[in-house]
Amino acid sequence: DGGITQSPKYLFRKEGQNVTLSCEQNLNHDAMYWYRQDPGQGLRLIYYSQIVNDFQKGDIAEGYSVSREKKESFPLTVTSAQKNPTAFYLCASSTYRDRGYEQYFGPGTRLTVT
Amino acid sequence: RKEVEQDPGPFNVPEGATVAFNCTYSNSASQSFFWYRQDCRKEPKLLMSVYSSGNEDGRFTAQLNRASQYISLLIRDSKLSDSATYLCVVGLLNNAGNMLTFGGGTRLMVKP
Repeated sequence: DGGITQSPKYLFRKEGQNVTLSCEQNLNHDAMYWYRQDPGQGLRLIYYSQIVNDFQKGDIAEGYSVSREKKESFPLTVTSAQKNPTAFYLCASSTYRDRGYEQYFGPGTRLTVT
Repeated sequence: RKEVEQDPGPFNVPEGATVAFNCTYSNSASQSFFWYRQDCRKEPKLLMSVYSSGNEDGRFTAQLNRASQYISLLIRDSKLSDSATYLCVVGLLNNAGNMLTFGGGTRLMVKP
């Protein structure tokens, strides 16, 4: 089955610890994205990558880091510098369909930092 | 002003009703338009892309008015399973890639 997987589904950490969220896709999509969603709010872009070994900051990159060593994988590290890390983190990948690019999301990781 | 604005709702409708959601966007250079559906505590799922000519998929009809920078979604014969949050999404393709901007969502609750 083709798709995007994120693990773990729920993650609990203490303040001051770095944590890495996994995102893998087997859709052969070139572009991958990380978003965060806070309760009652829209998705906000953290980082994105159009090709392997290249990535760009999104609107809220401070306190986060990423890598893109393989086409299939785009892990996100939430560092201790991120002031409000508790959120729902969504990974997406993108392909061109018909008249536009469509993004597809993984199931998300819900991170709680106390 | 938000880049993509939606009425957060909730819209409470009985089964079988027709309901319409609207969305406005601020960037006139936007090139692609979508409606996503998001169930509680789940990821957004692409419902449909929206084209200038309008498009229909079963009970769902989407319309785009570029002049007014306005997007709509019409759901006919609402089902209980349509209860969800509907996200209006606008895309811009530039040197940085395909960038999407999400509205805050409109919550729909279909009651028996």
